[in-house]
Amino acid sequence: QVQLQESGPGLVKPSETLSLTCTVSGGSIGTYYWSWIRQPPGKGLEWIGYVYYTGSTNYNPSLKSRVTISVDTSKTQFSLKLSSVAAADTAVYYCARHRAYCSGGSCYDYFDYWGQGTLVTVSS
Amino acid sequence: DIQMTQSPSSLSASVGDRVTITCRASQGISTYLNWFQQKPGKAPKLLIYAASSLQSGVPSRFSGSGSGTDFTLTISSLQPEDFATYYCQQSFSTPQTFGQGTKVEIK
Repeated sequence: QVQLQESGPGLVKPSETLSLTCTVSGGSIGTYYWSWIRQPPGKGLEWIGYVYYTGSTNYNPSLKSRVTISVDTSKTQFSLKLSSVAAADTAVYYCARHRAYCSGGSCYDYFDYWGQGTLVTVSS
Repeated sequence: DIQMTQSPSSLSASVGDRVTITCRASQGISTYLNWFQQKPGKAPKLLIYAASSLQSGVPSRFSGSGSGTDFTLTISSLQPEDFATYYCQQSFSTPQTFGQGTKVEIK
């Protein structure tokens, strides 16, 4: 059974960089895309970006200038860095695995495994 | 970005009721539509992918339908464990976006 676990500081000061790591166990990190998704308290879900096991990335344009996602296949981990944080970045941060279902020439992408989430608060 | 709009935002229902939640995309997304269930303090759980495919292990009382811009999640007979918030999500284009959620509460 694949498991994902987020780790990192729960409190970050404004203007500093938020850094989180997701450790994957029970399965390979190879051949999959891996995403970060966040949810402000009491609000909806926002996709931040993904990394492929090769290291290629794709980010949400709304956060692109501040986001870096990387992968370390030897440690079966991938990481998120979000710079210049503000109070609006306070959220539960989830890591998740992409899975693709292919049928009739089309491939449908979905998040099949998620971490439990970690609350990051931006405050001085 | 593709905007996903769910209706209603919340609903009250009784155990055994048939419940329908609607999701509308701001542009056509074929069947690149997923549904998730989220309980308080927990990560979202995949219910339906590709608009109508039931994720392994999910009870058959959950079903999804639709194509293009209009989609539906149906719970045929609401169970106590189904009281939660439900989100739709499009994977047609980047950035992938979610609906604002529909909270299903006990009547």
